[in-house]
Amino acid sequence: AQSVTQLGSHVSVSEGALVLLRCNYSSSVPPYLFWYVQYPNQGLQLLLKYTTGATLVKGINGFEAEFKKSETSFHLTKPSAHMSDAAEYFCVEYNFNKFYFGSGTKLNVKP
Amino acid sequence: DARVTQTPRHKVTEMGQEVTMRCQPILGHNTVFWYRQTMMQGLELLAYFRNRAPLDDSGMPKDRFSAEMPDATLATLKIQPSEPRDSAVYFCASGPYSGGYNEQFFGPGTRLTVL
Repeated sequence: AQSVTQLGSHVSVSEGALVLLRCNYSSSVPPYLFWYVQYPNQGLQLLLKYTTGATLVKGINGFEAEFKKSETSFHLTKPSAHMSDAAEYFCVEYNFNKFYFGSGTKLNVKP
Repeated sequence: DARVTQTPRHKVTEMGQEVTMRCQPILGHNTVFWYRQTMMQGLELLAYFRNRAPLDDSGMPKDRFSAEMPDATLATLKIQPSEPRDSAVYFCASGPYSGGYNEQFFGPGTRLTVL
């Protein structure tokens, strides 16, 4: 069965440090991939998406992700964390009319 | 600024009662999604519709849950009878289907408490 794995349910970084949130998908065919962010008491918001073409995808708020087919990964990064980045992040795979959600990673940013 | 709207925002009810949650998708979006989020289970996709037809409802408990789209401007999620374990935040999302995939725009959620 297809699945999306997000390594680390909680990640803590210092303000200004690199943010790296890991996501691995399991599809054997190139999927569509998304990262969503959820701030407390809100719905999810699209950060970025990979559909076709360039494997390095830039999103909002300075985030980017790289699609690596050989590693079946779609890790999310940001060079310098801000306090406002504290939220939960979801990696999502879409294939053949099915959506597969990762279990989410809560990012804590320390001052 | 187009947004997905959900009503009610909060609902407290007693076990056994019927609960209906409503969602107004963004005008022009042809796909509507229903999610449930709890601390224990996280975020779960219950069902989604494209062009008002159910495309995947495998995540929805069929015995007590039902989802419909009476028209393109309204989606409903009904629980009958409700149980305490249904307490959760229910999100609706809508999106255009384009280029072979869906983006999703989420509503603010309905927080349901079943006593």
